[in-house]
Amino acid sequence: EIVLTQSPGTLSLSPGETGTLSCRASQTINSRRLAWFQQKSGQSPRLVMSGASARATGIPDRFSGSGSGTNFTLTIYRVEPEDFAVFFCQHYSDSPITFGQGTRLEIK
Amino acid sequence: QAQLVESGGGVVQPGRSLRLSCEASGFNFNDYAMHWVRQAPGKGMEWVAAMSHDGKTKYHAYSVMGRFTVSRDNSRNTLFLQMTSPRPEDTAVYYCARVSRQIVVIIDVFDMWGQGTVVTVSS
Repeated sequence: EIVLTQSPGTLSLSPGETGTLSCRASQTINSRRLAWFQQKSGQSPRLVMSGASARATGIPDRFSGSGSGTNFTLTIYRVEPEDFAVFFCQHYSDSPITFGQGTRLEIK
Repeated sequence: QAQLVESGGGVVQPGRSLRLSCEASGFNFNDYAMHWVRQAPGKGMEWVAAMSHDGKTKYHAYSVMGRFTVSRDNSRNTLFLQMTSPRPEDTAVYYCARVSRQIVVIIDVFDMWGQGTVVTVSS
């Protein structure tokens, strides 16, 4: 199975700053079948990005995804108060689907 | 409005059985493959099982294979997870999730999640 490793574990930012989240795979993810989700405390996950770089419906353009192969990045420009949450990556290239352990984006 | 609502969680003793349900509304349930995903306390997400739109194909994670079984009843717009012989390490919030594309694929990105149902396995 593909192991996804996210870094950093916690990212502390002030509103207005830019942050970069990383997701590294143990083997190549075919066709960039990598998604990012945002999960706020007590809520279910919300799709942010699919296909590594396609923003989901309703996601503002300050969210940007990139990468291919084994290295993927989610960049959040000009972080706003509502962005603070846990972000996790997920591959869906084949079974079993696996998830990264998450990056907590917290207010500095 | 399309939504998924899980139910059936609770406290279950190790070795007893529990059946989780996920009722869909607001979309054509029988056009979409569906999945179960769980999140143990303080841990990351773990994929559990998947079923094709027509119920003919299913996958289970190795950690639950032989103990949990996914099924669906398209006439009732409902996905199920039968949990037999649960273990304390199965304690988690269980979510159902829908894939984004109709019919074609089973393994795909999730575009909709339920609110989750809590399962606690304890004696």
